Amino acid sequence: QVQLQESGPGLVKPSQTLSLTCSVSGTSINSIGHYWSWIRQLPGKGLEWIGYIYYRGNTYYNPSLKSRCTISKDTSDNTLSLTLTSVTAADTAVYYCARDSEQWGPGYFELWGQGALVTVSS
Amino acid sequence: DIQLTQSPSFMSASVGDRVTLTCRASLDVSSSLAWYQQIPGKAPKLLISATSTLESGVPSRFSGRGYGTDFTLTISSLQPEDFATYYCQQLRSYPYTFGQGTKLEIK
Repeated sequence: QVQLQESGPGLVKPSQTLSLTCSVSGTSINSIGHYWSWIRQLPGKGLEWIGYIYYRGNTYYNPSLKSRCTISKDTSDNTLSLTLTSVTAADTAVYYCARDSEQWGPGYFELWGQGALVTVSS
Repeated sequence: DIQLTQSPSFMSASVGDRVTLTCRASLDVSSSLAWYQQIPGKAPKLLISATSTLESGVPSRFSGRGYGTDFTLTISSLQPEDFATYYCQQLRSYPYTFGQGTKLEIK
């Protein structure tokens, strides 16, 4: 059974860097053809796709966050990472990692972690 | 970015009702549209891919239709576990975007 689990500090100060890890079990993050995304949900609001990393390591970011965002993966411990620099209160959200659908491919988010709440506050 | 507008934002309905939720795209997304269900405190769950294909395990009372800019999600007979928030999402072009959601509440 494939499982994703986000972890990281729940509180980040304004202007600092947000760093989250997604631990993947039950499958390899190098599984051929898969895309691994980060998605966030602002409080009481909808969902925003942050970007993805392909199994080969290629990345694509939402232009709205591209200048501050890095998604990477660590094959040795089967994890994904998200860093977001220069955070403000507007970055307060629940952050999810997700994997695309086996059948439909990129963009159809079939598997999700449980989410990690990150609050930006001094 | 392609904007998705869902209507209504809130809907009250009763168990057994037939309900239809709407998602309108600002540009043609062909059939590249998905629907998700989210229960409070949980991650979204993929219900429907490519406009109308139910994911494995999704009850047949759910159905999706549409093409281009206008899409619908219909629940033929509401069950207690269906009261949740539903989001549409387009995959036609980057960045992937979501609608603002329709919250389905028990009347």
